[in-house]
Amino acid sequence: SQTIHQWPATLVQPVGSPLSLECTVEGTSNPNLYWYRQAAGRGLQLLFYSVGIGQISSEVPQNLSASRPQDRQFILSSKKLLLSDSGFYLCAWSAHPGAAETQYFGPGTRLLVL
Amino acid sequence: SQQGEEDPQALSIQEGENATMNCSYKTSINNLQWYRQNSGRGLVHLILIRSNEREKHSGRLRVTLDTSKKSSSLLITASRAADTASYFCATVHTGGFKTIFGAGTRLFVKA
Repeated sequence: SQTIHQWPATLVQPVGSPLSLECTVEGTSNPNLYWYRQAAGRGLQLLFYSVGIGQISSEVPQNLSASRPQDRQFILSSKKLLLSDSGFYLCAWSAHPGAAETQYFGPGTRLLVL
Repeated sequence: SQQGEEDPQALSIQEGENATMNCSYKTSINNLQWYRQNSGRGLVHLILIRSNEREKHSGRLRVTLDTSKKSSSLLITASRAADTASYFCATVHTGGFKTIFGAGTRLFVKA
């Protein structure tokens, strides 16, 4: 069966520090991968998605970047965090190819930038 | 951009009652999905209904889709305290790739 991992679960970082959040998927190959951010009590904002290694699409201009160095690894990064980067970050995968179908979410990383 | 909008924003009911949540959207869709999120956790997929379907069931869940009104409803029958969570509808535009999530309905089931 497929599983998706995210770490760390919680992170407190000072403004201006770098960020690296990692997401890995097991039990499937060539998945579509997604990074979302969720503000408290709100819906999900799509940040990046990837249909293959090295293929990244950015949805929202921002202080963040994403990379996919391996088929089942998706990394969210920042060189200098802003206060506004605080939030709950969710990684998800869906079967590839095809239009968006069921997405499977990781447990999330809660980021607090102080 | 299209986005599902859930209604109500929050719902509080007694255990055993039915809970109904609605979702409206603006443009034609390939499919509509409902997800559940427990506090501080990831989302869990509940059910997907395609644009050519009108109703789907899964256990205590019943989803309807009215493409003429661009709306969907999620009914949870005989609710339990464990159903307490946020529920999100998500839409995929016709010809689109991305899934667009609404802001969610917070359901609280009192034991």
